[in-house]
Amino acid sequence: KNEVEQSPQNLTAQEGEFITINCSYSVGISALHWLQQHPGGGIVSLFMLSSGKKKHGRLIATINIQEKHSSLHITASHPRDSAVYICAVRSDDSVEYGNKLVFGAGTILRVKS
Amino acid sequence: DVKVTQSSRYLVKRTGEKVFLECVQDMDHENMFWYRQDPGLGLRLIYFSYDVKMKEKGDIPEGYSVSREKKERFSLILESASTNQTSMYLCASRKQGYGYTFGSGTRLTVV
Repeated sequence: KNEVEQSPQNLTAQEGEFITINCSYSVGISALHWLQQHPGGGIVSLFMLSSGKKKHGRLIATINIQEKHSSLHITASHPRDSAVYICAVRSDDSVEYGNKLVFGAGTILRVKS
Repeated sequence: DVKVTQSSRYLVKRTGEKVFLECVQDMDHENMFWYRQDPGLGLRLIYFSYDVKMKEKGDIPEGYSVSREKKERFSLILESASTNQTSMYLCASRKQGYGYTFGSGTRLTVV
């Protein structure tokens, strides 16, 4: 079992829809990251969370430490939001993981106009 | 804004060649990382470095080596490229206590 599980794996939405991508993890963490990767492109860091909620434009990220769960929401989705969204956690077990991120498999989002 | 620059977006190399992938960051970050990304396997850590001349093996170091002679530059070396090293390679850097900044990636094809 992967330490970081994302759902759904694939998501197709109509322009304007509210989108939620989920991330569950099984290890204790010091921080959780949401990353965005466009086709053929590099990775952009969207959020780094250790508690609560963060908002940037139409993107909202929340984390529940007790439930080991995070969500990424996109409001008023647009075709330019089409990308792969990746959840990654930095374990607080420095002996086991050192300074590494553990990645989810990613969610492929396609927003149709 | 922090920049992480990877020297090539696309590379085609022959089997057996020695390949250098370069990564430079401009914000004095202590930590630098090399990942490879493959369909169905996601991102996997090859090597990381937490300071100049320091390096640590990641999850899949076999067939790779790294060099960090200066703080801003972290090089990934394929001593003898093989076809199973065809992949997207991503470099990242991080200042202690802050988030990660990724480069644009190098898509390497070994023929």
